[in-house]
Amino acid sequence: KAGVTQTPRYLIKTRGQQVTLSCSPISGHRSVSWYQQTPGQGLQFLFEYFSETQRNKGNFPGRFSGRQFSNSRSEMNVSTLELGDSALYLCASSLGAGGHNMIYNEQFFGPGTRLTVL
Amino acid sequence: KQEVTQIPAALSVPEGENLVLNCSFTDSAIYNLQWFRQDPGKGLTSLLLIQSSQREQTSGRLNASLDKSSGRSTLYIAASQPGDSATYLCAVSCKTGANNLFFGTGTRLTVIP
Repeated sequence: KAGVTQTPRYLIKTRGQQVTLSCSPISGHRSVSWYQQTPGQGLQFLFEYFSETQRNKGNFPGRFSGRQFSNSRSEMNVSTLELGDSALYLCASSLGAGGHNMIYNEQFFGPGTRLTVL
Repeated sequence: KQEVTQIPAALSVPEGENLVLNCSFTDSAIYNLQWFRQDPGKGLTSLLLIQSSQREQTSGRLNASLDKSSGRSTLYIAASQPGDSATYLCAVSCKTGANNLFFGTGTRLTVIP
């Protein structure tokens, strides 16, 4: 079974540009979450999508947005890039619906997209 | 707001030693706790997940325990190997049905051959 894939793996952008990152979850997983990882702040939750709906959102400005398609693939977009947006962006997938069955909750991460803003 | 702390920040041990990594969280109303490892520049690999109703989980040489009331979890690694060298992260989920994980800052483990 293929794992979580993210494209592209590396990106270099300049301030003011926008960027779109893509995440394909494990087959059958309906939940996709996005995280930002920086040396200073560690791993921080951006948002989660389940069945094409944003179910939860972290404390990031509106420049960060996302969406999920009917096949569960997800994209996140960052507009008007700032130097501080340089980070490793990770997505994670899970079966998703929660509840008391453990297999629905475990999250599996992709390799990440390394974004550098110059 | 949930805060997750991991101690120590870094640890070096000789190969073959047993070791314990610690994780503490401020809000005991968690749904589950997950341990991950991260190799440099890579994504996260899930190691163990413990539901809030459970006390421990085991996988091979790894054993994770959870004491929800005291806000603590430990990851025990038996007979450490150089391949165990990585950063270990714990994360808690605080809402039923939601996958918002709060992460600790990690423990960087080096196993010396």
